Amino acid sequence: QVQVVESGGGVVQPGRSLTLSCAASGFVFGDYAMTWVRQAPGKGLEWVAIISDHEINRYYADSVKGRFTISRDNYRNTLYLQMTDLRPEDSAVFYCARAVWDSHGSYFDHWGQGTLVTVSS
Amino acid sequence: QPVLTQAPSAAASPGASVTLTCTLSSDHSNYRVDWYQQRPGKGPRFVMRVGTGGIVESRGHDIPDRFSVLASGLNRYLTINNIQEDDEADYYCGADHGRGGSFVAVFGGGTRLTVL
Repeated sequence: QVQVVESGGGVVQPGRSLTLSCAASGFVFGDYAMTWVRQAPGKGLEWVAIISDHEINRYYADSVKGRFTISRDNYRNTLYLQMTDLRPEDSAVFYCARAVWDSHGSYFDHWGQGTLVTVSS
Repeated sequence: QPVLTQAPSAAASPGASVTLTCTLSSDHSNYRVDWYQQRPGKGPRFVMRVGTGGIVESRGHDIPDRFSVLASGLNRYLTINNIQEDDEADYYCGADHGRGGSFVAVFGGGTRLTVL
């Protein structure tokens, strides 16, 4: 069955960097866009970034633009999120999700369990 | 980009029905909206997409037909019939806006459904 599993979270000091990974299985990874969504403790969902199936298109939320980079390896069936210049307000559970993205827009049809990032000194 | 508004909470008894509402900002009345369920301590789960004519494509994996959607004007509704205890969750609506080489996805604030 379709499965996405995030990893790489942890505690990091403000201003430092961290890279998250998302391992995908159960579907042809290269046929789908992928996305990252985060959720601060006790808060709602916030979309972070999306990447098209062959990396041609990448888009970011204004809150992370210039600091975060989404990428993928279609041979390793893995999605990444490189995060630099981390701030306390970036503390959240980060979810990876498969995105169905066509001319009518996108929706996120399979999600992982998330990985927690805590930015604190 | 659209703004999505949801009531913060709702409650219903087992066996009853409840309708959750997601309201689009004006000028976005033709947008499709996606519903997601998030049970406590779990990742979100796609429920289904709703356009101006109702459900779009298929419902999410293992989503029972007790869940249905409707649309009217700026509102997108998720109705849950014959509520079960494990329907207790946060429900989020989401939408995206892609125009002229840009893209943004947004979520509503979520509605916490309590099963009494």
